[in-house]
Amino acid sequence: EVQLVESGGGLVQPGGSLRLSCAASGFTFSNYWMHWVRQAPGKGLVWVSRVNTDGSGTTYADSVKGRFTISRDNAKNTLYLQMNSLRVEDTAVYYCAGFRSSWYGMDVWGQGTTVTVSS
Amino acid sequence: DIQLTQSPSFLSASVGDRVTITCRASQGISSYLAWYQQKPGKAPKLLIYAASTLQSGVPSRFSGSGSGTEFTLTISSLQPEDFATYYCQHLNNYPHTFGQGTKLEIK
Repeated sequence: EVQLVESGGGLVQPGGSLRLSCAASGFTFSNYWMHWVRQAPGKGLVWVSRVNTDGSGTTYADSVKGRFTISRDNAKNTLYLQMNSLRVEDTAVYYCAGFRSSWYGMDVWGQGTTVTVSS
Repeated sequence: DIQLTQSPSFLSASVGDRVTITCRASQGISSYLAWYQQKPGKAPKLLIYAASTLQSGVPSRFSGSGSGTEFTLTISSLQPEDFATYYCQHLNNYPHTFGQGTKLEIK
């Protein structure tokens, strides 16, 4: 069974840090470009970041550039998102998702992990 | 950045109806467009990729069309399980922006 399982969410104060993880199983993780997508309460989906198959290339949304770092460990079949200098507006459900190439769309998704930034 | 505008934002329809959702891109994206369905509390599910290709396992009542800047998602005969929120997403370049969503409700 194809599966992505996120973990690491929680409550953090503004200015704090969190590290999200996304464990993959049931497919060849190293063949997939991986992404983080977030959804604030009651709002739409927002693309956050991507990493290519070997981890050598990353891209970020302007809203998180310089604060978030995406990475992956193909030996552990795991994707990460290090989030620093968190802001109230970073509060959201964070999904990991992936595609084999952009042509095929994001066909694998995790169930999401909730990040709440509040004092 | 490429912006995607979906219309309508809300749609009320009945079981058996045919519905169409439109997604317009602020610049040409060829066929690098995907459609997703999201139900409350759940992750999005890929329905259509490359603007018109049905993802494996998705019912044939879903179809997509378009290229360039204008795209449509059509559900030919609504079923009870289709009431959800639908998003388009472009994958032409980064950021891979999503449309604002279309909430499909039961009339």
